[in-house]
Amino acid sequence: SYVLTQPPSVSVAPGQTASLTCEGFNIGSYSVHWYQQRAGQAPVLVVYDDLSRPSGIPERFSGSNSGNTATLTITRVEVGDEADFFCHVWDSSADHPVFGGGTRLTVL
Amino acid sequence: VHLVESGGAVVQPGGSLRLSCSASRLTFDDYTFHWVRQRPGKGLEWVSLISWDGANSKYADSVKGRFIISRDNSRNSLHLQMNSLRVDDSALYFCTKGFSSSIRGNMDVWGQGTTVTVSS
Repeated sequence: SYVLTQPPSVSVAPGQTASLTCEGFNIGSYSVHWYQQRAGQAPVLVVYDDLSRPSGIPERFSGSNSGNTATLTITRVEVGDEADFFCHVWDSSADHPVFGGGTRLTVL
Repeated sequence: VHLVESGGAVVQPGGSLRLSCSASRLTFDDYTFHWVRQRPGKGLEWVSLISWDGANSKYADSVKGRFIISRDNSRNSLHLQMNSLRVDDSALYFCTKGFSSSIRGNMDVWGQGTTVTVSS
């Protein structure tokens, strides 16, 4: 089945830019979705179809996808952005969704 | 849109449990629904999905043959029948709404989850 690889952790200072990656073979040919899960809460969709934002998600959150890497970029990071982030694609060979292992974003 | 899961409990290995998800403020039968679980301290694991009309369902290999997903569009409800439960089925189970009737899209609404603990 299709494997999505995310770094376990990323740290960034407030006000800086965080880049969270999701790697998979030829992931650029997939639609990638991103979810934010704050501690003790349910996940929230923050980016879908590589780069679209649901209503209510700040413009500071953006996505890109090319080659073997999809990236969620968070500009002007705030303390409240601290959370686990998961990428998700449809695995066309297994014919079901698959999630990456998640990245914990720490705001120093 | 509001999703509320119920039915989580402590159950012995080999036992059964039925999870339910009640949905409100949406046209329920317009959407695919999923169950996604999260073991304590771990990542998200997709478990099962069901198409808008119930005609198409899929399962993760880890639960295939043991879990059955169903929906009642007249009652805006989703269910997961869990049989032959194992210790490693212990997790927080989320009900999630698909973005559209397509089974391949994102999951744009999540419930708060219900906890299943399988232990002797």
